[in-house]
Amino acid sequence: DAGITQSPRHKVTETGTPVTLRCHQTENHRYMYWYRQDPGHGLRLIHYSYGVKDTDKGEVSDGYSVSRSKTEDFLLTLESATSSQTSVYFCAARRTGDNEKLFFGSGTQLSVL
Amino acid sequence: QQQVKQSPQSLIVQKGGISIINCAYENTAFDYFPWYQQFPGKGPALLIAIRPDVSEKKEGRFTISFNKSAKQFSLHIMDSQPGDSATYFCAANGMTTDSWGKFQFGAGTQVVVTP
Repeated sequence: DAGITQSPRHKVTETGTPVTLRCHQTENHRYMYWYRQDPGHGLRLIHYSYGVKDTDKGEVSDGYSVSRSKTEDFLLTLESATSSQTSVYFCAARRTGDNEKLFFGSGTQLSVL
Repeated sequence: QQQVKQSPQSLIVQKGGISIINCAYENTAFDYFPWYQQFPGKGPALLIAIRPDVSEKKEGRFTISFNKSAKQFSLHIMDSQPGDSATYFCAANGMTTDSWGKFQFGAGTQVVVTP
């Protein structure tokens, strides 16, 4: 697999504080994604990247920013955390071609109090 | 708006039974339809996928049926086992200007297989 590592695995923070979640891949995939998972909503795309310094918004991007300075690293920042951003966050990397596949990390459980 | 609608939200099936999960999509430019399986505390993992040039794809006990004209596809789990208890997500992706690479996911179906 693509060796997707997310950090931290769990985080508790306070409203109004900035938070950065990290995603690291080992397979040099061009495309990377950040999703949030909430009951009843499935996986909703926050931001994605199609190359170094190339990013675009997903359907729930408000309050989030991303950066990708290296192929292997994709950072998600909550600029000023709110309770509505309490969620499980998943990073994914995409293998393209005939055997197209998203490889997901194990997720980050974020609680904003 | 949710471009992929999945049902049911949950289902309970006895061991040996058939689990059926349905998805409907809106964007006719979608050309790749995967199903992902997720166990508690883990990230989703690809289970099986289909492209619209075929109407059915089978891998072991898992089958995708695809109906292009109805814009629907479904996952059938034959001979369901307790180890199949998980959450299943359908997804769609396609090469359009507004959906390219974005992988739209359904809301998920929690499947419980009873012994």
